[in-house]
Formats: sequence, structure tokens, C-alpha cells
Amino acid sequence: EAGVAQSPRYKIIEKRQSVAFWCNPISGHATLYWYQQILGQGPKLLIQFQNNGVVDDSQLPKDRFSAERLKGVDSTLKIQPAKLEDSAVYLCASSPRAGGGGTQYFGPGTRLLVL
Amino acid sequence: ELKVEQNPLFLSMQEGKNYTIYCNYSTTSDRLYWYRQDPGKSLESLFVLLSNGAVKQEGRLMASLDTKARLSTLHITAAVHDLSATYFCAVDVSDSNYQLIWGAGTKLIIKP
Repeated sequence: EAGVAQSPRYKIIEKRQSVAFWCNPISGHATLYWYQQILGQGPKLLIQFQNNGVVDDSQLPKDRFSAERLKGVDSTLKIQPAKLEDSAVYLCASSPRAGGGGTQYFGPGTRLLVL
Repeated sequence: ELKVEQNPLFLSMQEGKNYTIYCNYSTTSDRLYWYRQDPGKSLESLFVLLSNGAVKQEGRLMASLDTKARLSTLHITAAVHDLSATYFCAVDVSDSNYQLIWGAGTKLIIKP
């Protein structure tokens, strides 16, 4: 079974530029999560989708971050404009449970460096 | 505020020794998870603990859960270098859409 796929793996941009990340979850997984992980810390949830609807986006900085999950499968996370403090690893995870909960399976992450 | 606290945050030990990582959480939770993260890599699920007294073991790692004390432990037996990684515990909370609340991680270095 293929795991969670993410691209790109690495991205370097200058502040005020925009960037987008892509995630393809495990086939059949209803719930998709985007996390931000700053070096030396645990992951911080940005947004949770169930199928193509948003379940929780309370920690998403909506003035600059946006995310969508079209057709309940792939998802994109965008940052516009980027700030220095956005430098982090962006992790996508999926789980089979429609109501959330259960083991989350993580992709390899996208390392973002904002200069 | 929901909190998950791990200790120690950093642990350096010799191969062959035993040690325990502790995970305390501040609220009632349905499930407790342990994940492993190697440097520059993503998170790998190790254990899911579902009920009071649950114990799970794989290889040299054993995890247990005491829901009354709101405490989970990850015990390492006869450590080997390959177990060097950062270990995270997390709990999910049903009244927050089962959002995972994460500990800060325990960075474990095992010296040959």
C-alpha cells in the first residue's frame, strides 16, 4: 500500500513570496491533516479535512495560509505571502476514520526555508 | 488548557542499558499514541494505547498506559544504537474532533 505522498520535498523562497505544497493521502482515507513542525517541537495542527470539508482550521493563520481538498482526495496548502517565521517542515497526514481519531499516517514532509 | 508533557526531553545513554520515557497529559483522552521520528524524516507510528492498563510491546520497546494517573511510559530494554531517534507521545480528545495534542518529544541518543 502506497503511503502519504508530498511534494516538493524542499523549498527555499524569499519572504513575501508565495508557495504551495501538495499532498496525496493513502487511498480511501477519509481524514487529512496538515501540520507545521518547527525544529525541536512537536507538530502543530493547521487544518483537518474530512473528505472535502473542513473540520478544524482554528490554528490556521488565515490571513496568509489557505488549504483545500478537492474531490476529497488530494490537498494543497498555500502560503501567501510567506514570512521568516514560516520556516518549518509541513507534514501531511491521513487516517481512515471519518470522524477523526485513530492512527495518523504521515508523509515525508516539505521543508520550507524562508529567507 | 490541554497539555502533554514528556520527560526527559533529552536522553543520552549507552547501549545495553534500560530506560523509561514518561508522558503525562492533562485531560481525559480516548487514545494515546507513541510516534518515532528519525532526523530529517517523518513520523512513524509505534503504538496506540486504548484503555487503562494497556501494554504493547515491539522488540525492545514497551509502552503502557495508566488512565487514572494520566500517564504513559515508553520503556526501552537493552538499548541499541538503531533506537536513536526522537519519540513523541500524543493524545486525542473527542470533544476537539479528535485533534492530537502532542508532547514536545524526547530526543534519545544511544551511544555504541
